[in-house]
Amino acid sequence: AQSVTQLGSHVSVSERALVLLRCNYSSSVPPYLFWYVQYPNQGLQLLLKYTTGATLVKGINGFEAEFKKSETSFHLTKPSAHMSDAAEYFCAVSGLSQAGTALIFGKGTTLSVSS
Amino acid sequence: DGGITQSPKYLFRKEGQNVTLSCEQNLNHDAMYWYRQDPGQGLRLIYYSQIVNDFQKGDIAEGYSVSREKKESFPLTVTSAQKNPTAFYLCASTRASRGRFYYEQYFGPGTRLTVT
Repeated sequence: AQSVTQLGSHVSVSERALVLLRCNYSSSVPPYLFWYVQYPNQGLQLLLKYTTGATLVKGINGFEAEFKKSETSFHLTKPSAHMSDAAEYFCAVSGLSQAGTALIFGKGTTLSVSS
Repeated sequence: DGGITQSPKYLFRKEGQNVTLSCEQNLNHDAMYWYRQDPGQGLRLIYYSQIVNDFQKGDIAEGYSVSREKKESFPLTVTSAQKNPTAFYLCASTRASRGRFYYEQYFGPGTRLTVT
């Protein structure tokens, strides 16, 4: 079975500091990995995705993530946090064929940004 | 603009009543999904459908029902059998997968259901 673990349910950073949100996955097949962002009372918006090829993936709003197969990780980073980055972030892995294209989500990490 | 609409945004019901949440997409996606979101628990799959007139149970289907009579519509009914229905419900859709290639899911804005 596939699973996702997000380390740290809450991360706090100062404005302009480095953002690092951790995600580890478990998969018996080569995974497809996704990061989504959710603002309060809204749906999820795709930040970036890894399918195949380059392991460093760039997304929207200055975020990027690196797929590390040896560490089964897909951590999300941003060099300089902005107040508008405060939101909840979800890491997800592609599901098994029994669920079609359903994704398996981590429990989420809430990012707080202080001035 | 293409996208997914969910209505209503907020829904209030009395315990024991069935309620139907709407989900419509104009992205021409084949697959549609319903997730339930509770604080600290991430998203959990309720039902999914990969083609019209076909759907499968997800991880937490008990107390819920769906239909898929049209490609663009995938309504979710929360029945009185659902023991704890108060939650945020998200609908999503995606293109049909090709082999093992997965396309990203697009999400609607969600419906917050409160049952008292």
